Amino acid sequence: ETGVTQSPTHLIKTRGQQVTLRCSSQSGHNTVSWYQQALGQGPQFIFQYYREEENGRGNFPPRFSGLQFPNYSSELNVNALELDDSALYLCASSLAGLGEVQYFGPGTRLTVT
Amino acid sequence: GESVGLHLPTLSVQEGDNSIINCAYSNSASDYFIWYKQESGKGPQFIIDIRSNMDKRQGQRVTVLLNKTVKHLSLQIAATQPGDSAVYFCAENISWGGTSYGKLTFGQGTILTVHP
Repeated sequence: ETGVTQSPTHLIKTRGQQVTLRCSSQSGHNTVSWYQQALGQGPQFIFQYYREEENGRGNFPPRFSGLQFPNYSSELNVNALELDDSALYLCASSLAGLGEVQYFGPGTRLTVT
Repeated sequence: GESVGLHLPTLSVQEGDNSIINCAYSNSASDYFIWYKQESGKGPQFIIDIRSNMDKRQGQRVTVLLNKTVKHLSLQIAATQPGDSAVYFCAENISWGGTSYGKLTFGQGTILTVHP
């Protein structure tokens, strides 16, 4: 176990709704990254948070947003859900620095109908 | 564009055999590579990493080889066991120069099946 936890485990939403996913990082880690993993694909980088600020973003629209809190936990918010947003959302925590290993949580399975 | 890809999408071996999973990357600026194992319904699990100033690194039953000349990465698993059955991903870390930025770019994965 990595010590990274995510909630909820599964979620079903309707197209157009909004969703918030949560992540608690491993003890001592100050950086959280979010990834989207579609079925049969590798994870795709969404964005990273360091010291409560976004520190890099992948090719995802603005309706994907996030927060990091003083205790380094994080939220991923997705507005105006689309069917293609159905995926496994993974959170990874790491310690700031170049080339540090990112440790993943179990993910949240989001289904949009 | 930058990409990390795998030569073989599936690999089937007998228990006790050695397994080799290959990965190609395209970005010469990549400086850090990680292999992850992902079992069904779980998040990726760290296996081993290697930095670009190294050619080889060994762990417990695993070895990663890096060939920067041809931009190729491989994961060798010795004495493969049924518990090794999973999807294996290589990931490329692209530094943007910040103190903490590390975007992982993943390949599509190789499914390893180990038969008893």
